[in-house]
Amino acid sequence: TQLLEQSPQFLSIQEGENLTVYCNSSSVFSSLQWYRQEPGEGPVLLVTVVTGGEVKKLKRLTFQFGDARKDSSLHITAAQPGDTGLYLCAGDPRNSGNTPLVFGKGTRLSVIA
Amino acid sequence: DTGVSQDPRHKITKRGQNVTFRCDPISEHNRLYWYRQTLGQGPEFLTYFQNEAQLEKSRLLSDRFSAERPKGSFSTLEIQRTEQGDSAMYLCASSLTGENYGYTFGSGTRLTVV
Repeated sequence: TQLLEQSPQFLSIQEGENLTVYCNSSSVFSSLQWYRQEPGEGPVLLVTVVTGGEVKKLKRLTFQFGDARKDSSLHITAAQPGDTGLYLCAGDPRNSGNTPLVFGKGTRLSVIA
Repeated sequence: DTGVSQDPRHKITKRGQNVTFRCDPISEHNRLYWYRQTLGQGPEFLTYFQNEAQLEKSRLLSDRFSAERPKGSFSTLEIQRTEQGDSAMYLCASSLTGENYGYTFGSGTRLTVV
């Protein structure tokens, strides 16, 4: 069983459309992080959400942490081809701050011009 | 600082050969992590160091794998007697110690075992 379930696994949309991807768990996390990974490169940190119910915005990207801190979502407004990539969520499964992050399998987004 | 560097970027090796990868982390980061990523999967944890001490190893890290971080700076990951199942992207990341610090990843080493 995957500790962090991401959905959808694949998403292909037209430029200008909005989309939401999800990261769910049955476990409570003290924080969750979102990364974007492009082909042949390592993941790049986008944001860390810490407080239940927290909303963070990064230009056209909006990240939300669930009230119970078991889930998170990423909403992209007016998607652009440059948003194409693998979106990964990650968390510390033992909430100790001293354990390595566990990653979900990711959502592979393709934005078509 | 140029970020996290990994060398080589690509490695093709024959089954049964040994390979070694190197990672140079961000100099101020005392934590260094190794992950493996295969197609369609997120990164899977292998091992990590705090300074020169190896603090945790995943069950994915069989006895054919060994990692070192002498002097708490760069790290090496060696795979002995490679198998086709070892083919993957090997990612190195570094971070500061403490909760909520994000990881800075290198570009990875893509290993192909033929």
